Amino acid sequence: DAKTTQPPSMDCAEGRAANLPCNHSTISGNEYVYWYRQIHSQGPQYIIHGLKNNETNEMASLIITEDRKSSTLILPHATLRDTAVYYCIVSPDSNYQLIWGAGTKLIIKP
Amino acid sequence: GAGVSQSPSNKVTEKGKDVELRCDPISGHTALYWYRQSLGQGLEFLIYFQGNSAPDKSGLPSDRFSAERTGGSVSTLTIQRTQQEDSAVYLCASSLNSGQGAGELFFGEGSRLTVL
Repeated sequence: DAKTTQPPSMDCAEGRAANLPCNHSTISGNEYVYWYRQIHSQGPQYIIHGLKNNETNEMASLIITEDRKSSTLILPHATLRDTAVYYCIVSPDSNYQLIWGAGTKLIIKP
Repeated sequence: GAGVSQSPSNKVTEKGKDVELRCDPISGHTALYWYRQSLGQGLEFLIYFQGNSAPDKSGLPSDRFSAERTGGSVSTLTIQRTQQEDSAVYLCASSLNSGQGAGELFFGEGSRLTVL
């Protein structure tokens, strides 16, 4: 079973910030939170990952709550190309057996 | 190329035939992973290689599935006596190493297998 809970779908207006929530209430102290996305018919693409601190890169920001039981992925200025399924994943002992849930289908609307 | 390369991109086969799927990882990546994705589902872990060895084969669904990796590079996933339930997209990924928090997995575009 996936160790994360995400809403099945979300809409966001183009140019707005897209905020994708993820619950991981059973996360262990040494487990990382990873975010990937999958555009239709393509392989998944890494976005960002973090342990405790908030992280930012050229694609997105990751906000992790202080108790680490939930996180939010923020796409600051969504474009139509950001339409995809977004997966929030908590890593077990190593990153090889990432457990993938169904993700959130994000639709960016013009 | 710079990315993970998989072949064939599409394979249609008859039930009972054997198929081989190939993955060419990013040069220098020691870890290689195989996943399977059925329509509308998340990824299902199959097997992982660190170098040429496979420390964890627990995700392989049956003994009809096998995989090997040679020279720490190319990997082949073989499915014998294919069944219709094997129809899926088979995704390969590689990473620099496999330790915790090691960072991103780089995925190929996948091999879509259809068993008639």
